[in-house]
Amino acid sequence: QVQLVQSGAEVKKPGASVKVSCKASGYIFTTYGISWVRQAPGQGLEWMGWISAHHGNTNYAQRLQGRVTMTTDTSTSTAYMEMRSLRSDDTAVYYCARDTPRFGDFVSFDLWGQGTLVTVSS
Amino acid sequence: DIVMTQSPDSVAVSLGARASINCKSSQTVFYSPNNKNYLAWYQQKPGQPPNLLIYWASIRESGVPDRFSGSGSGTDFTLTISSLQAEDVAVYYCQQYYTTPLTFGGGTKVEIK
Repeated sequence: QVQLVQSGAEVKKPGASVKVSCKASGYIFTTYGISWVRQAPGQGLEWMGWISAHHGNTNYAQRLQGRVTMTTDTSTSTAYMEMRSLRSDDTAVYYCARDTPRFGDFVSFDLWGQGTLVTVSS
Repeated sequence: DIVMTQSPDSVAVSLGARASINCKSSQTVFYSPNNKNYLAWYQQKPGQPPNLLIYWASIRESGVPDRFSGSGSGTDFTLTISSLQAEDVAVYYCQQYYTTPLTFGGGTKVEIK
């Protein structure tokens, strides 16, 4: 079955870091990339960045640059998104989505993870 | 950044009636060398991730009912639900994937009148 399965919900204090995983199955991981998208409670969708599972190249949204790192482990077909220096307005559901393996040749997201709620609260 | 503006914010339509959602991009998402519009539509129901409905502005994703259609080119796009069903109640988003940062519209909530 083609799917992306994400790690479970997290509760973090302001200033902490979080690392969310996204395990792919049912397709060849390295022939695609992964984008990360987040959705604050009751809000719309915000693209955070992209990583090629083929090359490991990344492209991050400028407003998150310096706080987010995306990586992949091709041996386990898993993508990771780590965010540092968390603030209360980082509280959101974080989604991974299947994307292009090549920067500049982006495609629509035909496969999404179930989402991971990250709550940042003191 | 390309700003995606959807209208209306919400729409209430009778069962079986037509619903239309508009999406305008702040610059073109049409790439002439391949004659493609880098525009997608997603449906999101509460507690679920978005689900791809339309890509390349007008191509229906496999398994999506044919009552959903996409049209438009350049900067102006429309998602049409030809005959609204109860299961179509959701929030709909347009997205451009022409250039980074990839951006989404603010969403349009579709309800039953």
